Amino acid sequence: DIQMTQSPSTLSASVGDRVTITCRAGQSISSWLAWYQQKPGEAPKVLIYRASNLETGVPSRFSGSGSGTEFTLTISSLQPDDFATYYCQQYSSYFWTFGQGTKVEIK
Amino acid sequence: EVQLVESGGGLVKPGGSLRLSCSASGFTFSDYNMNWVRQAPGKGLEWVSAITTRSSYMYYADSVKGRFTISRDNANNSLFLQMNSLRAEDTAVYYCVREGVTKWGRGSLVTVS
Repeated sequence: DIQMTQSPSTLSASVGDRVTITCRAGQSISSWLAWYQQKPGEAPKVLIYRASNLETGVPSRFSGSGSGTEFTLTISSLQPDDFATYYCQQYSSYFWTFGQGTKVEIK
Repeated sequence: EVQLVESGGGLVKPGGSLRLSCSASGFTFSDYNMNWVRQAPGKGLEWVSAITTRSSYMYYADSVKGRFTISRDNANNSLFLQMNSLRAEDTAVYYCVREGVTKWGRGSLVTVS
């Protein structure tokens, strides 16, 4: 299985901050990476697919970059609705794997 | 609008069995590989199983191999997960997930206790 290492595990930030979350794959996954946002009691919501493609309806303050083994999710200006847990996921094979999650908290 | 609705979760004793169902609508179900993903209370996401469009291939996480069976009924736009020999560590919310730009159901809680 392809291991996904996500960092940091927790991030404290203020409204308006620029936030960056990193995800590293144990082997090359090309651009087969998605980013999700999850709030308590809800299903994950896809933000980014194919590493850098913004899902329809997702605010443009979210962006993704990277390929191969190193990937980044950036929130350009953190908004109150963005405090949540974020996961990366590789889907280069049928055996999907997820990062451990990054909880974005209010500073 | 794509909709995935899971059902069949509940409380079961260790060693017991449960069958989850997922009813799909809003897309051509038979065109997509389908997956189950679970999330234990307070934990991260764990992929469980996948099935190809015509049920030609099924894939399982090592943690459930030999105990869980995934299946689908394309005529009725339904996905299933038969869970046998359940353990406490299988306690989780189970999500039905469509491949591609993924679509997720709201989940069904399975409690093994």
